[in-house]
Amino acid sequence: AQTVTQSQPEMSVQEAETVTLSCTYDTSESDYYLFWYKQPPSRQMILVIRQEAYKQQNATENRFSVNFQKAAKSFSLKISDSQLGDAAMYFCAYSWGTSYGKLTFGQGTILTVHP
Amino acid sequence: NAGVTQTPKFQVLKTGQSMTLQCAQDMNHEYMSWYRQDPGMGLRLIHYSVGAGITDQGEVPNGYNVSRSTTEDFPLRLLSAAPSQTSVYFCASSPGTGPHNEQFFGPGTRLTVL
Repeated sequence: AQTVTQSQPEMSVQEAETVTLSCTYDTSESDYYLFWYKQPPSRQMILVIRQEAYKQQNATENRFSVNFQKAAKSFSLKISDSQLGDAAMYFCAYSWGTSYGKLTFGQGTILTVHP
Repeated sequence: NAGVTQTPKFQVLKTGQSMTLQCAQDMNHEYMSWYRQDPGMGLRLIHYSVGAGITDQGEVPNGYNVSRSTTEDFPLRLLSAAPSQTSVYFCASSPGTGPHNEQFFGPGTRLTVL
C-alpha cells in the first residue's frame, strides 16, 4: 500500500529565514508524482509544487524548492525567505500512474512564521 | 470561472439525519472526487468519478453515496449521519486521471454531527 508520512506535526520559522518540511513515502510504483499542497487558515487547498519521479532535477517554484531523494523515498519542501503569508498547513501528497487521479496525503505540518 | 464550488460551508446535523453536500465545477473537468480531512490524518479519499455516470469507492466510503449524472456536479450524500462523520469535506476536480494532474479543490464544508 502507498503511504505518505510527515513526521513534523508543527514547525516554526522566523520571517526571511529558510525552513524545510519533511516527507517520506512508501511505494513499489515506478511512475508517480509527488506534490506539496498549502492550506492557509482560509481552508483553501493550493498546489505549491509538484515533482515527477522520472525527473532527477528537483522542482523549483520561486521561493519553494524540493529535495527529491528517490532511493530514500524522501521529498522535502524548502521555503526560502519565509514570509508571513507562508503560515499554513502543508500537505505532502502522492499520485501514481494507475491511481486514476487519486491522491494519498500525509498527515500535514503546521508552519508558523514569526515576524 | 468560479472553479470548484461547495455548499453549504457549515452544517450541523443530528445523528441519523441525512443530507447532501453539493459540489460543482465549471472547468469541464472529467475527474472529480471527495475527501474528508480529520486532525492528524490528512485528507482521505471517500469517492471519486472519472466521468459522468462512472463512480468508484476511495479509502473511506462507508456511510456515503455519490452519483455523477453530469460533468459539472458531484454530490455527496450522507444517508444516516453519525458522529464519526464530523469532519471537513473537500470536493476536488482535475482535467484528467493522469498522476501529473493538479487537483483543484473547493473551499470545503465543515460538518458537525451531534
